[in-house]
Amino acid sequence: DADVTQTPRNRITKTGKRIMLECSQTKGHDRMYWYRQDPGLGLQLIYYSFDVKDINKGEISDGYSVSRQAQAKFSLSLESAIPNQTALYFCATSDSRTYSGAQYFGPGTRLLVL
Amino acid sequence: AQSVTQLGSHVSVSEGALVLLRCNYSSSVPPYLFWYVQYPNQGLQLLLKYTSAATLVKGINGFEAEFKKSETSFHLTKPSAHMSDAAEYFCAVSVGGSQGNLIFGKGTKLSVKP
Repeated sequence: DADVTQTPRNRITKTGKRIMLECSQTKGHDRMYWYRQDPGLGLQLIYYSFDVKDINKGEISDGYSVSRQAQAKFSLSLESAIPNQTALYFCATSDSRTYSGAQYFGPGTRLLVL
Repeated sequence: AQSVTQLGSHVSVSEGALVLLRCNYSSSVPPYLFWYVQYPNQGLQLLLKYTSAATLVKGINGFEAEFKKSETSFHLTKPSAHMSDAAEYFCAVSVGGSQGNLIFGKGTKLSVKP
């Protein structure tokens, strides 16, 4: 089945460490997104990419960076993790050709920064 | 600017009762609207979408939503709640029609009592 996968599913790290969360998709979609979810706050957009050479900041990009290695792969890095980056992180994809705007989500990565 | 307000962070219903989850939006352009469901420890799953066709939209698992422009609302309903409907539900609006990013509400957690 065409899908969106995220690795790792769970990660514990220490303050100051650099970590990378990875996302890959087999849907053939051109657009990819990274969100974080905090209880009671909904989802906030970190970065988004409309194709391999088009990467844009979302509403909460400070402290994060991304890399679009291929159309199917989009990685999120925390350069120097801090405790308030403890959250649930989701990758999503969408297809600009469908004109529906719908996004499709991976299962999430639960990150704990100590 | 586009925004989404979900009324009620928690809603509790009895099994077999009507489910009504409220969503109001603000949009300066004709909106594309979405409902997503998140089961525990899972990603977000698309329930249904409104993309300027029929105002009554049917989704998966017996859910439907009605777009009411005059009330700027897109409430989610299901005639008869099932225990398996217990989850968190998110309403979202596209910021730029079919090609825009999504703005999410803060979510409504639905509990279903036996």
